[in-house]
Amino acid sequence: DQQVKQNSPSLSVQEGRISILNCDYTNSMFDYFLWYKKYPAEGPTFLISISSIKDKNEDGRFTVFLNKSAKHLSLHIVPSQPGDSAVYFCAASAGDSNYQLIWGAGTKLIIKP
Amino acid sequence: EAQVTQNPRYLITVTGKKLTVTCSQNMNHEYMSWYRQDPGLGLRQIYYSMNVEVTDKGDVPEGYKVSRKEKRNFPLILESPSPNQTSLYFCASKQNGVSSNQPQHFGDGTRLSIL
Repeated sequence: DQQVKQNSPSLSVQEGRISILNCDYTNSMFDYFLWYKKYPAEGPTFLISISSIKDKNEDGRFTVFLNKSAKHLSLHIVPSQPGDSAVYFCAASAGDSNYQLIWGAGTKLIIKP
Repeated sequence: EAQVTQNPRYLITVTGKKLTVTCSQNMNHEYMSWYRQDPGLGLRQIYYSMNVEVTDKGDVPEGYKVSRKEKRNFPLILESPSPNQTSLYFCASKQNGVSSNQPQHFGDGTRLSIL
């Protein structure tokens, strides 16, 4: 049973609009969450993270929201740019390190010009 | 340039022929890890190492071995590869210590096909 779920395999968004990627988790022990971005033929690169003591973390165009009661987090990208087209992975860990990450299956984001 | 380097990037081989995928990092990171990525499943951890001579099983260790004789290298060994080990493999490293929430840095991946 997957503990971290990204239910949308793909998402298409117009350039300049907001992209919202969603992630759900089942393990209440998870207290640290990360988003990674992956281009074809490259490894994942870290994008943004959030600790369970917060409900929002912002870095430039990227904002992650955490709803602990719903066990749900989302990544907002505003405004979306063509270079944002990639696969986005949500990952979670229990404890204050991320030595053992549990990953979602990824969402492919396509930004249309 | 700070990086994690994996070799080979692509390999097609046959069942039972031992192979090693090398991983090297130049960031002096204590922690290193191996993942496999399969369609619809995201990344799953195979083995990880907190430091030299310290290794632990991840979620899917069966059929794999690792060693950590020196800090920069963390090879993944498939003693007798089987077709179900056909996958995309990633090596990662990160800094331990005070800022334990430092993110993991990934190599560009190794695509293995076992026939």
